[in-house]
Amino acid sequence: KQEVTQIPAALSVPEGENLVLNCSFTDSAIYNLQWFRQDPGKGLTSLLLIQSSQREQTSGRLNASLDKSSGRSTLYIAASQPGDSATYLCAVRTASGGSYIPTFGRGTSLIVHP
Amino acid sequence: EPEVTQTPSHQVTQMGQEVILRCVPISNHLYFYWYRQILGQKVEFLVSFYNNEISEKSEIFDDQFSVERPDGSNFTLKIRSTKLEDSAMYFCASSESQETQYFGPGTRLLVL
Repeated sequence: KQEVTQIPAALSVPEGENLVLNCSFTDSAIYNLQWFRQDPGKGLTSLLLIQSSQREQTSGRLNASLDKSSGRSTLYIAASQPGDSATYLCAVRTASGGSYIPTFGRGTSLIVHP
Repeated sequence: EPEVTQTPSHQVTQMGQEVILRCVPISNHLYFYWYRQILGQKVEFLVSFYNNEISEKSEIFDDQFSVERPDGSNFTLKIRSTKLEDSAMYFCASSESQETQYFGPGTRLLVL
């Protein structure tokens, strides 16, 4: 059974710092991995999706990498801003027996203070 | 920009009652999903729906739950005989293929 862990659980940084959020998974037979942000009481906003054959994806100040062999993905946020404050979730879709059910991590709660 | 919408935003019900949560997916999307998130817990997959039938479901999605696409735009989740532990945020999502999923804002369900 796929398990997804995100470290750290919470992070508080001053504006302008570069950040790395970590996501690890136990079953490397993945189909894809998706990073989301979730604002308090709101839905999930897709940030980046990495296919199992890809090593990284970039969008603006965000860069996500994937290392299947070690079961890890990182989300890099450059020059953080207060508007980046949210919970960041990673979700792994495991390609197992024709099933693509996504498994979510608990998230990293990020606060960027001015 | 097209988005997934959900109604109602909040629902309070008595234990044992039936509730129907409604979603309007993005119009050209073919795959539809329901998730739930109990307060303080992980987002959990419930069910996926494609071509007018359930394609996958989790262990959570037991006989108490059902999904339906009653017309060309709505996608509903019905919970029969609600229990206290059904209290959660329920998210609908849709995708064009089995790739990037777009989530709605959620329905917060409280069972008393």
